[in-house]
Amino acid sequence: EPEVTQTPSHQVTQMGQEVILRCVPISNHLYFYWYRQILGQKVEFLVSFYNNEISEKSEIFDDQFSVERPDGSNFTLKIRSTKLEDSAMYFCASSSGGYTFGSGTRLTVV
Amino acid sequence: QQQVKQSPQSLIVQKGGISIINCAYENTAFDYFPWYQQFPGKGPALLIAIRPDVSEKKEGRFTISFNKSAKQFSLHIMDSQPGDSATYFCAARGNTDKLIFGTGTRLQVFP
Repeated sequence: EPEVTQTPSHQVTQMGQEVILRCVPISNHLYFYWYRQILGQKVEFLVSFYNNEISEKSEIFDDQFSVERPDGSNFTLKIRSTKLEDSAMYFCASSSGGYTFGSGTRLTVV
Repeated sequence: QQQVKQSPQSLIVQKGGISIINCAYENTAFDYFPWYQQFPGKGPALLIAIRPDVSEKKEGRFTISFNKSAKQFSLHIMDSQPGDSATYFCAARGNTDKLIFGTGTRLQVFP
């Protein structure tokens, strides 16, 4: 069964550093998303991406965040200057109708 | 209006019992209601989904009941098994493609 692949599975970074979370969506999917889940809380929408541009973003997705599809297969989330409160699981998803989520990247900001 | 309220927060069920998780929404523009199952360290996985034009959908031991007038929907897990122990999230999607998740229910099924 096709999968959404995320790397790394766990990243520890110092406050103020930039991080890039990587995702390989399912190859024939057209819509791409990032969601975030702070430990023990609900999954929250960050951003959706279609046709090489952001189609919607939440209030969480401020100027510190950016997304990119640098080539035909990867989809990245960049956090420019990490804060302690960015510590969370970040899930990538892709869709061509139904969503498929990746296993997530646990980001720990220290 | 964008919220989806989910209850209970946690649920303990004996093996073979019925697990029932409830969700409620406000936004009548929502037109797709999926349930996700999440195991520790994994991403949410689609379990079953329903659209508001039907009142019930069953897939194996999992059933969604949908009450459009009350703006409520629920997940029933029949013959609950220890392997069903996970966190369950309801969600809703409207005219944009984003999912609005409920707060999650941690289900524990004891043998």
